[in-house]
Parts: sequence; C-alpha cells; structure tokens
Amino acid sequence: NAGVTQTPKFRVLKTGQSMTLLCAQDMNHEYMYWYRQDPGMGLRLIHYSVGEGTTAKGEVPDGYNVSRLKKQNFLLGLESAAPSQTSVYFCASSSRETQYFGPGTRLLVL
Amino acid sequence: SQELEQSPQSLIVQEGKNLTINCTSSKTLYGLYWYKQKYGEGLIFLMMLQKGGEEKSHEKITAKLDEKKQQSSLHITASQPSHAGIYLCGADLGSARQLTFGSGTQLTVLP
Repeated sequence: NAGVTQTPKFRVLKTGQSMTLLCAQDMNHEYMYWYRQDPGMGLRLIHYSVGEGTTAKGEVPDGYNVSRLKKQNFLLGLESAAPSQTSVYFCASSSRETQYFGPGTRLLVL
Repeated sequence: SQELEQSPQSLIVQEGKNLTINCTSSKTLYGLYWYKQKYGEGLIFLMMLQKGGEEKSHEKITAKLDEKKQQSSLHITASQPSHAGIYLCGADLGSARQLTFGSGTQLTVLP
C-alpha cells in the first residue's frame, strides 16, 4: 500500500515550457487535491476533484489545468511555466477522516 | 490564509520544555486537522477534532478545540528533538472536504 505518490520529485523548467505532474493513490479515494506550498503562506489549493471525470477550481487555479481520467490518478499541468510557479506542489487524497499527502514535487522555473 | 491564523510563526525551545501552538479561525470550524511536516517531506496527519471542547492526545502531543469551535491549540509536553518540524493546522470551513491551511509554525528543539 503505497498511499499517495507523486512524479517527479524535482524538476527545473525554463519560462514558457510545459510539464505535467502526476499524482497516484491506491486507497480508492474519491476526493483528490493539488496544493502549492510557498514560504510563509502555508498550503493553497489549486484544483480539486470529487470523483473520476470531475474537477473544480480552488483558491489559486490560474496557470494550471488538471485532469482526472482515472479514479486513482490526478494530473496537474502547466501549459506555459512562469517563475511565479516556482513552488513545492503537494497532492492529497481524502477519506472521511483526513487528507493523505504525497511527498511533494519541487519545481523551479527559471 | 487570513481565514486561519496560526501562531507563533516560529518557536525555539530547549529539550524538555513544554510548548503550545495556536490556530484561530474567523469562521466556525467544522473540523480542525493538525499535521506535521519535516523539511523536504510531505505532511503527516497527527489529529482531527470536530466537537467543541474535544481534546485528543497522542504520546506527548495534545490538541484541543474550544467550545465555540473557532480556535484550536496543540500542546507538546517535554519536547524532544524528534518533535522538530513544521506544524500546520488545516480547517474544514464547511466546503465539501476542502481544507484551509494556516501558514505553519516552525518548531526547533535544542538538545
């Protein structure tokens, strides 16, 4: 039982490049989330999903897109990366009791 | 988030000392979650509180939710270096399992 996994762990992009972050969970959770964590600002919700095929915007969705084609996977896309998107990205999935977090992806946009 | 204020931002204590971290909401809390994060790692779930006046303990960590359900405190007794890390509170403010997080408290425990 791996819980929540994220790929890649670290990535460096140039401004304007695109990339996709992959999140996978093996707990059969319906709810999944993408957050970004910046110094002094805690975690901010980017997008979330309440089930396969559904997505919704969170607090800071601009510049990101998501897809939930399979229940176990939640993808976060950056179409044209900007330096302001340099951050640590966390994926989470939710049971009724709590959210379980992945180990994070460190993204540096130059 | 301004909806959820966490204090202090950082805390340095000597090993063996007690400490308290606070989390205050501007709205009613439907659930309050405490997580711990070590540098470069994900968040580890500690405890969840839902009922006003509720108190939970795990080893030397105790969390309380006040009667009005707008403030929670996390208390560590006889702190150890293993307690060091970032403590985050996350609040369910009534939006379908979405959590709003505080900005975190960086705890350093000096041996």
